[in-house]
Amino acid sequence: DTAVSQTPKYLVTQMGNDKSIKCEQNLGHDTMYWYKQDSKKFLKIMFSYNNKELIINETVPNRFSPKSPDKAHLNLHINSLELGDSAVYFCASRPPGQGAFGANVLTFGAGSRLTVL
Amino acid sequence: QQQVKQSPQSLIVQKGGISIINCAYENTAFDYFPWYQQFPGKGPALLIAIRPDVSEKKEGRFTISFNKSAKQFSLHIMDSQPGDSATYFCAASIETSGSRLTFGEGTQLTVNP
Repeated sequence: DTAVSQTPKYLVTQMGNDKSIKCEQNLGHDTMYWYKQDSKKFLKIMFSYNNKELIINETVPNRFSPKSPDKAHLNLHINSLELGDSAVYFCASRPPGQGAFGANVLTFGAGSRLTVL
Repeated sequence: QQQVKQSPQSLIVQKGGISIINCAYENTAFDYFPWYQQFPGKGPALLIAIRPDVSEKKEGRFTISFNKSAKQFSLHIMDSQPGDSATYFCAASIETSGSRLTFGEGTQLTVNP
């Protein structure tokens, strides 16, 4: 029944490793996002996909690569993990209807806490 | 460049009191101003939102006050309850931008019983 689900919830790994976080939404939304929340709880957008097409790509190292196999899924793959990548990563989705007030509501997942040792 | 500045960083209020969190923005193109509430271990969830064509919006105990000329908006929580203890984020976006929400730094609210 979870609207936006992320796996894994916790991820502990060594520097230099490659890891992925998966996200799935069952809301029928067509836009999905990845946000990064740092240790000070600051939330920053990383990527956004609309119907599998990349529409927002903030200044993120190219070690981060999002993939959207369909509009219900948006995965995040991170290569050569660094200590500074430790954070909580949130997936979110938005309903269609750009410009409509209600369409700007983002539904967030519960987050995936990544710890790089 | 931090386009949305939020204060205070933390706030402690007694049960029944009023909690006030303030935000200021720089980009005059912003036309959508939501507040999100985040409990520990959870993702942020929309609490209340406003457009700049109104100066106030109220939903239950939560009110947004908006001052377009000052480029400021605030969240007021009336009759604060311990269950309101959470981190609150203001945000802003341009509706045609694909909801690229720019968040404030967050306010950790603690409501003491």
